Amino acid sequence: KAGVTQTPRYLIKTRGQQVTLSCSPISGHRSVSWYQQTPGQGLQFLFEYFSETQRNKGNFPGRFSGRQFSNSRSEMNVSTLELGDSALYLCASMIAGGGTGELFFGEGSRLTVL
Amino acid sequence: AQSVAQPEDQVNVAEGNPLTVKCTYSVSGNPYLFWYVQYPNRGLQFLLKYITGDNLVKGSYGFEAEFNKSQTSFHLKKPSALVSDSALYFCAVRGSSGGSYIPTFGRGTSLIVHP
Repeated sequence: KAGVTQTPRYLIKTRGQQVTLSCSPISGHRSVSWYQQTPGQGLQFLFEYFSETQRNKGNFPGRFSGRQFSNSRSEMNVSTLELGDSALYLCASMIAGGGTGELFFGEGSRLTVL
Repeated sequence: AQSVAQPEDQVNVAEGNPLTVKCTYSVSGNPYLFWYVQYPNRGLQFLLKYITGDNLVKGSYGFEAEFNKSQTSFHLKKPSALVSDSALYFCAVRGSSGGSYIPTFGRGTSLIVHP
């Protein structure tokens, strides 16, 4: 069974640009959540999607957005990039809408903003 | 609100010695507790979880964790550390009733196992 796939793995952008990151969950997993990981702030929750609906949202500005498609694949977008957006962005999927299930993480997309 | 504290940023242990990575939590109701491991430039990998039942939970790679309700702790342990165990370890918690399905993560503890 294929794991969570995130693309691209590495990318470099300049301030003011926008970026779109993609996440394909494990087959059958309907919940997809996104996290930002930085050395200073640790692992911070961005948002979670379930059945194409945003179900939970973290404390990030509106420049950070996401969506989920009918096949459960998800994308997140960051507009007007700032230097502080440089981070590892992790996607995680979960088998169902809740329950006791653990999260399955992708390898991450490392974004560098210059 | 739910929260997790990992009081040690870094834990150093010699290979072959037992290791403990500490975690305490706060959550309404009964907790669901998780440990994840992250190797450099990789995503997080699930190690083990406590949902209910036996307070000692066994997981991957010889790791185990002990749930202590009175101390609201869920410490990760391994009887004999390996150099390959060196990684970043995250504890996470979520409540078992109502609320968000999203766990709250600790800030992580860097485990360094010396040869």
